[in-house]
Amino acid sequence: DAKTTQPNSMESNEEEPVHLPCNHSTISGTDYIHWYRQLPSQGPEYVIHGLTSNVNNRMASLAIAEDRKSSTLILHRATLRDAAVYYCILGNQFYFGTGTSLTVIP
Amino acid sequence: DTEVTQTPKHLVMGMTNKKSLKCEQHMGHRAMYWYKQKAKKPPELMFVYSYEKLSINESVPSRFSPECPNSSLLNLHLHALQPEDSALYLCASSLIGLAGGQVYTGELFFGEGSRLTVL
Repeated sequence: DAKTTQPNSMESNEEEPVHLPCNHSTISGTDYIHWYRQLPSQGPEYVIHGLTSNVNNRMASLAIAEDRKSSTLILHRATLRDAAVYYCILGNQFYFGTGTSLTVIP
Repeated sequence: DTEVTQTPKHLVMGMTNKKSLKCEQHMGHRAMYWYKQKAKKPPELMFVYSYEKLSINESVPSRFSPECPNSSLLNLHLHALQPEDSALYLCASSLIGLAGGQVYTGELFFGEGSRLTVL
């Protein structure tokens, strides 16, 4: 599976938008980009996925670069409940990278 | 029902004990997974079962023995563990299929995990 690179940690103010970046320069043409998050003391949960086009769902938006070498998970208004580790995963979704720990400041 | 249920939630065992972790789902998923997660680290894949057959073993020591008795159940049998095996053990399940000659997996649904302490 192709490797992803994410910042170790990010902070956001409550009710502000958050942009979580992920670099995946070795992504193959058929690899989907998946995002999961893990809240404290819980198992990971699915957030969103996409292949080439930007995607929206009730939780977040996913913006995918035209060359597909990077993507950005967008939380439109961060809440305290969004504090979690966010993982960007490629392909068959089995292998987690180190993820980004998001802190939301009240 | 979109739940993956893991039991027990907590387990303490000695190095000579034999115990099992259990995972159950009723979503009709035919792929099931075991992950190990140490504190402040990402989940690490251990095993994948596809259609009740072991399809991936990430070179896990034989003191961990997985079993998939049917499409809804996944067990992890533990024997002669070491203190460094103490961790959160996560189970997940997903749809699995074949399209265009490639295997694809759907969204992974995770349980809350079983926290294992080996004394």
